[in-house]
Amino acid sequence: KAGVTQTPRYLIKTRGQQVTLSCSPISGHRSVSWYQQTPGQGLQFLFEYFSETQRNKGNFPGRFSGRQFSNSRSEMNVSTLELGDSALYLCASSLKEGGPRNEQFFGPGTRLTVL
Amino acid sequence: AQTVTQSQPEMSVQEAETVTLSCTYDTSESDYYLFWYKQPPSRQMILVIRQEAYKQQNATENRFSVNFQKAAKSFSLKISDSQLGDAAMYFCAYKGETSGSRLTFGEGTQLTVNP
Repeated sequence: KAGVTQTPRYLIKTRGQQVTLSCSPISGHRSVSWYQQTPGQGLQFLFEYFSETQRNKGNFPGRFSGRQFSNSRSEMNVSTLELGDSALYLCASSLKEGGPRNEQFFGPGTRLTVL
Repeated sequence: AQTVTQSQPEMSVQEAETVTLSCTYDTSESDYYLFWYKQPPSRQMILVIRQEAYKQQNATENRFSVNFQKAAKSFSLKISDSQLGDAAMYFCAYKGETSGSRLTFGEGTQLTVNP
């Protein structure tokens, strides 16, 4: 069974632009979560989607948004990019919504560089 | 809010030796899981081991084992017979009954394995 895939793997943008990252979960998984990883802030939760609905949201500005499609694929969008948005963006999928027992599987990440 | 703390930014171990990585957490929840994730240079987050709070027995996965001290809110990872492939960043993570799919990560410990 294929793992979580994220596209693109690397991305370079300039300040003020917007970007869309994509995540395809493991087949059959319906929950997708997004994390931002930076050297300064570490790993921070962005949001979680299940059945096309945002279920949980981290403490990020409104420039960060996401959505989930009927096939469980998810996209996250960052508008008006800032230098501080440079990070590794990780996506994780799980079979069911939430709960401490649902194991999450991570994708390889998208490395975003904002110049 | 739940917090996870890893007080060792860097650790090193000789090949074939044993090393212990420390993690403490804070929570008021009664139902939760604790995890150790490994992130090698490829940046792919890999689950190493997990522990359910209700289980008194410490989890073990081959060369990896944990020492879960619930009262002390301590969750350390022991790696026995260290191998060069164990070199990576290790993250301790928490997921609780009110977290949904949100994982709260520690700052990470960079493990170096010396030949």
